[in-house]
Amino acid sequence: QKEVEQDPGPLSVPEGAIVSLNCTYSNSAFQYFMWYRQYSRKGPELLMYTYSSGNKEDGRFTAQVDKSSKYISLFIRDSQPSDSATYLCAMSVTNTGNQFYFGTGTSLTVIP
Amino acid sequence: DSGVTQTPKHLITATGQRVTLRCSPRSGDLSVYWYQQSLDQGLQFLIQYYNGEERAKGNILERFSAQQFPDLHSELNLSSLELGDSALYFCASSVDPSGFNEKLFFGSGTQLSVL
Repeated sequence: QKEVEQDPGPLSVPEGAIVSLNCTYSNSAFQYFMWYRQYSRKGPELLMYTYSSGNKEDGRFTAQVDKSSKYISLFIRDSQPSDSATYLCAMSVTNTGNQFYFGTGTSLTVIP
Repeated sequence: DSGVTQTPKHLITATGQRVTLRCSPRSGDLSVYWYQQSLDQGLQFLIQYYNGEERAKGNILERFSAQQFPDLHSELNLSSLELGDSALYFCASSVDPSGFNEKLFFGSGTQLSVL
């Protein structure tokens, strides 16, 4: 069983839709949860960072962590064509980069 | 632009060959990470260097090696290449490897194709 599971999609939504991206994990010791966005032919860039459980909001993006269910989500409101990218979740016990576990990514296309 | 530079962008080579991938971290970042990204495995941590010294090893094969030079740039050497080594290789850098709120900045990657 992989440490982190992520549905690869692809996911295609119309502009303005609410997008929900999800990851599940098996290691209950994970405390740091991240979402990275990766545009085609680019490296991942950090989008959201959350410690422990709860929600975090940043503009149109909301990250949610449910440690009891070992489930994390990223919501994108009012999705834009510029949000078209692959979204990777990542998580860690100690928040050091050599111990990040990444999901395989979900490909999202927002159609104008 | 993350400030992390990787060269070359694309590399096509044959099985059994050896290649070198290069990474220049962001100005001021002392820590360099190498990751391999494939469709089925996602991003896999290979190795980390901090200020010239190896800090941590992940799923790096014995055929692969890396080093970080005094000017902080890093090279990843892949030898005796196999078809399965075809992947996107990323370098990332960070300024604070202490474990507190570490943020990684990724380069654009090197796409390696082994034919």
